[in-house]
Amino acid sequence: DGGITQSPKYLFRKEGQNVTLSCEQNLNHDAMYWYRQDPGQGLRLIYYSQIVNDFQKGDIAEGYSVSREKKESFPLTVTSAQKNPTAFYLCASSKTDRAVGYTFGSGTRLTVV
Amino acid sequence: GDSVTQMEGPVTLSEEAFLTINCTYTATGYPSLFWYVQYPGEGLQLLLKATKADDKGSNKGFEATYRKETTSFHLEKGSVQVSDSAVYFCALSDGQTGANNLFFGTGTRLTVIP
Repeated sequence: DGGITQSPKYLFRKEGQNVTLSCEQNLNHDAMYWYRQDPGQGLRLIYYSQIVNDFQKGDIAEGYSVSREKKESFPLTVTSAQKNPTAFYLCASSKTDRAVGYTFGSGTRLTVV
Repeated sequence: GDSVTQMEGPVTLSEEAFLTINCTYTATGYPSLFWYVQYPGEGLQLLLKATKADDKGSNKGFEATYRKETTSFHLEKGSVQVSDSAVYFCALSDGQTGANNLFFGTGTRLTVIP
């Protein structure tokens, strides 16, 4: 079955370290997205990509970086510049048809220790 | 700009009670509307959707009708179960801002007690 896979499910990082979250999809979706979710809050868009080798900043891109070298993959790096990185991170993908909606991964919970 | 306003939670109901979670939106053009559900520790799952005015989306006993005149997409279920306990997100996609970016509400936590 097709789907979107995020790994790892739990991740611990020391302050000052960069860390990369993986997101892979086999749905043949063109667009991919990264969201951040804090406890009791909604989703905030970090970055999105509509096509390979192209991506755009979302609402809270500072302290994050992404790449889109392959259609299937959209890794997110949380850099040491991100002042409050502890959160639940969700990756999603979609077709370009706006009526279809998104498919989400199961998320990565990042904790800074 | 585009936005979604959801009923604030948390909502606590007894099993078999009727559920309504209100959602209103602001958008240009003719957006598609969605309800997503998030179970504890998991990602979001698409629950239902509607793509044009007067459409009714339905799934697993949940329903929502796209009301253009009131710019609303309220989620309803006639008889909730303990297994419906989750966070529910209303969302819209207007297709105007590149790709088909979704605008999410803040989510409503539902707890159903036996």
